[in-house]
Amino acid sequence: QVHLQQSGPGLVKPSQTLSLTCAISGDSVSSISVAWNWIRQSPSRGLEWLGRTYYRSKWVSDYAPSVKSRVMISPDTSKNQFSLQLNSVSPEDTAVYYCSRTTSASGDNWFDPWGQGTLVTVSS
Amino acid sequence: DIVMTQSPDSLAVSLGARVTINCKSSRTLLSSFNNKNYLAWYRQRPGQPPKVLVYWASTREPGVPDRFSGSGSGTDFTLTISSLQAEDVAVYYCQQYFSPPWTFGQGTKVEIK
Repeated sequence: QVHLQQSGPGLVKPSQTLSLTCAISGDSVSSISVAWNWIRQSPSRGLEWLGRTYYRSKWVSDYAPSVKSRVMISPDTSKNQFSLQLNSVSPEDTAVYYCSRTTSASGDNWFDPWGQGTLVTVSS
Repeated sequence: DIVMTQSPDSLAVSLGARVTINCKSSRTLLSSFNNKNYLAWYRQRPGQPPKVLVYWASTREPGVPDRFSGSGSGTDFTLTISSLQAEDVAVYYCQQYFSPPWTFGQGTKVEIK
């Protein structure tokens, strides 16, 4: 059974970088046919997919247009985890952030499982 | 981006009643390649992450009670709870995975009357 455990600070100052990590157990970050995603949820924006990273003979990351210029999602194979970095944050980035897996070999891009969620508040 | 619109935003029904939640996409989610609809449904209880209930529009996730069923094709989809139980109080979301960026509906809150 796959389990995702999130870690990272709950408070970030405006203009700084939000950084979160998602540790994987029961699967490998390097697995072929899966992708590792970050999603956020706020009252104003609802559930918003931010992007993903996956391995297909090389590492690939792709991102939602809404955050593409500010976001990076990257794997850490030595620790079997992946991370989210969101630059130049503003109060509009305040949200609960989730990591999740999709099994994308045959287009199976629904999210399961999910991490526990991290409330990140952007405030000075 | 594909826009997902759910209706209603909220509803309150009696225990044991039937619940119907609608989801409409701005583009077809039906693939002409494999004749599958790229739509999933989730339940989110307070303080928890969403949990997938249905994928491919009508395939129940193993372990999900059979009172949950999904239907529809193309741009119009429905999640039905045949007999509402107390543990079904939650917000329900649809999600399209036909074309990135993956997008969600705004959610439908289900309460007990």
